[in-house]
Amino acid sequence: LAKTTQPISMDSYEGQEVNITCSHNNIATNDYITWYQQFPSQGPRFIIQGYKTKVTNEVASLFIPADRKSSTLSLPRVSLSDTAVYYCLVGDMWGNTPLVFGKGTRLSVIA
Amino acid sequence: GAVVSQHPSRVICKSGTSVKIECRSLDFQATTMFWYRQFPKKSLMLMATSNEGSKATYEQGVEKDKFLINHASLTLSTLTVTSAHPEDSSFYICSARTDAGTVNTEAFFGQGTRLTVV
Repeated sequence: LAKTTQPISMDSYEGQEVNITCSHNNIATNDYITWYQQFPSQGPRFIIQGYKTKVTNEVASLFIPADRKSSTLSLPRVSLSDTAVYYCLVGDMWGNTPLVFGKGTRLSVIA
Repeated sequence: GAVVSQHPSRVICKSGTSVKIECRSLDFQATTMFWYRQFPKKSLMLMATSNEGSKATYEQGVEKDKFLINHASLTLSTLTVTSAHPEDSSFYICSARTDAGTVNTEAFFGQGTRLTVV
């Protein structure tokens, strides 16, 4: 299973764009990159998933370079409610494989 | 969207007793579910993979006789913490993936169960 490395923590002011980068140097051909958000005492919540290039949805964008050895989650104009832990996970496309969590990035949004 | 529900969300039990946690996939079938444990300010740690109709697969260091897993139907997996001790106090989270065995599946997580052993 590909190992991921993220910054332990980040701080941002409200209204700013936040970019969290994740390294996954040994990503395999079948692996997708998925980001989850977790609030205290809640289960993780899916944010976005991608395989290559750029993916955008209503809450975030995911940038993946051609070599796929890293990815960047971009949160536009964060608010206080975006304060959470963000996990980058790498796993294959088939549903029988569990997702293995790294340490995540604790994002603190300041007013 | 797909929903995974856990019950109870919070439980306090006496040391030496057993506690059962349920994980249900509400609107999809899950032949495979996963159980995680999370200590305060730590990441989720995979405990075991629950397979419908067969024995669970436990991660290294997880005692199968202490953490009993039963996956009797396509929508329900249970985790029983037997003879609980204070060190078993933790946040337990289950997960299920939609359409397991097909391409590009998303994993959904339950809301978690906070277990406190006193």
